[in-house]
Amino acid sequence: DAGVTQSPTHLIKTRGQQVTLRCSPKSGHDTVSWYQQALGQGPQFIFQYYEEEERQRGNFPDRFSGHQFPNYSSELNVNALLLGDSALYLCASSALRPQETQYFGPGTRLLVL
Amino acid sequence: AQRVTQPEKLLSVFKGAPVELKCNYSYSGSPELFWYVQYSRQRLQLLLRHISRESIKGFTADLNKGETSFHLKKPFAQEEDSAMYYCALSGLGLTGGGNKLTFGTGTQLKVEL
Repeated sequence: DAGVTQSPTHLIKTRGQQVTLRCSPKSGHDTVSWYQQALGQGPQFIFQYYEEEERQRGNFPDRFSGHQFPNYSSELNVNALLLGDSALYLCASSALRPQETQYFGPGTRLLVL
Repeated sequence: AQRVTQPEKLLSVFKGAPVELKCNYSYSGSPELFWYVQYSRQRLQLLLRHISRESIKGFTADLNKGETSFHLKKPFAQEEDSAMYYCALSGLGLTGGGNKLTFGTGTQLKVEL
């Protein structure tokens, strides 16, 4: 099991563009969470998907949206990119059972110019 | 609101010296506390969680609800302990595990020879 995988590893976009990031969860996991980690900061929760629906959402604008597919993989979409969206985007997967641990992927580094 | 505070951005100790990484939290309900570690060029990974009450790689952490703290300790630092450490909090929910994590800003531990 490769664990949580994310693609692409790096991405460069310009302001106003749209971006899609992808995540495949660890085998046996059905829940995917997305986090944004700005330079020098801890990860910040964006949202979580379970059974193809958004289950929880953090304090992020509607420009950030997501999707979960029947195979549990997930996408994070960001519209109208701002310079401040430059960050490492982390995906974490878990099983929706009590006391389950979240396992993180390696992240996608997004640079907005 | 959930908040995690790690007051030290950098902690430098000599090999063999005791280590204490500080973490304080703010949460109105029953929290679950975690320590995550990120070694150089590796993904974020769980080090320990308070409900497990176990010692990982010689590290321990005790949840002190009176002081709202969850400090990470190790009696004798090793060179391989050099890494970024994040304290994180999750609310214990009836809906089960995988709830959103709120992270601190992290403490870089440097173990010098």
